Amino acid sequence: KAGVTQTPRYLIKTRGQQVTLSCSPISGHRSVSWYQQTPGQGLQFLFEYFSETQRNKGNFPGRFSGRQFSNSRSEMNVSTLELGDSALYLCASSLTGGLDTQYFGPGTRLTVL
Amino acid sequence: AQRVTQPEKLLSVFKGAPVELKCNYSYSGSPELFWYVQYSRQRLQLLLRHISRESIKGFTADLNKGETSFHLKKPFAQEEDSAMYYCALGQCLGGFKTIFGAGTRLFVKA
Repeated sequence: KAGVTQTPRYLIKTRGQQVTLSCSPISGHRSVSWYQQTPGQGLQFLFEYFSETQRNKGNFPGRFSGRQFSNSRSEMNVSTLELGDSALYLCASSLTGGLDTQYFGPGTRLTVL
Repeated sequence: AQRVTQPEKLLSVFKGAPVELKCNYSYSGSPELFWYVQYSRQRLQLLLRHISRESIKGFTADLNKGETSFHLKKPFAQEEDSAMYYCALGQCLGGFKTIFGAGTRLFVKA
């Protein structure tokens, strides 16, 4: 099976812009979770989607949003970018979410200038 | 609040020496604990989870509810074990999510 894919792999934006990141889960997986990884904070949970519904959300401002499509692909959007949003954004898929094993993508490296 | 603590940012051992990567958690429910590993230039991947009680690549981890710990151990470290290790807590309270520790970088010297 193909693994989790994320596009783009690298992105450079300026403050105030918005960005959309994409994640394609492993075929058959219906749950997609998003994480922000930074050297200072480590892996921080953003949100989780299952069957097009957001089931859980981490402690991030409303500028961070996401959605999931009927084919389980997911996107996350960050509006009004700030310098502190520079990070590696990881997505992970699992069969049904919950306490299933998660399979991670390679990440999208976002740099905000 | 639910939390996972990995007290060591870096752990350096010689090849053949025993390894213990520490993980402590705080969680009011019944915990589901994982160890994930990230080798150089590879993705984050599951190493083991406590419910399966498996030994993967010689690593084991025992859940100690009294000490709220889930330390990762290997009796004889190998150079290929050098990687970043993350302890993670799967929680159900308030919706399913996984909380990760800050990670420990293991460096195994020849």
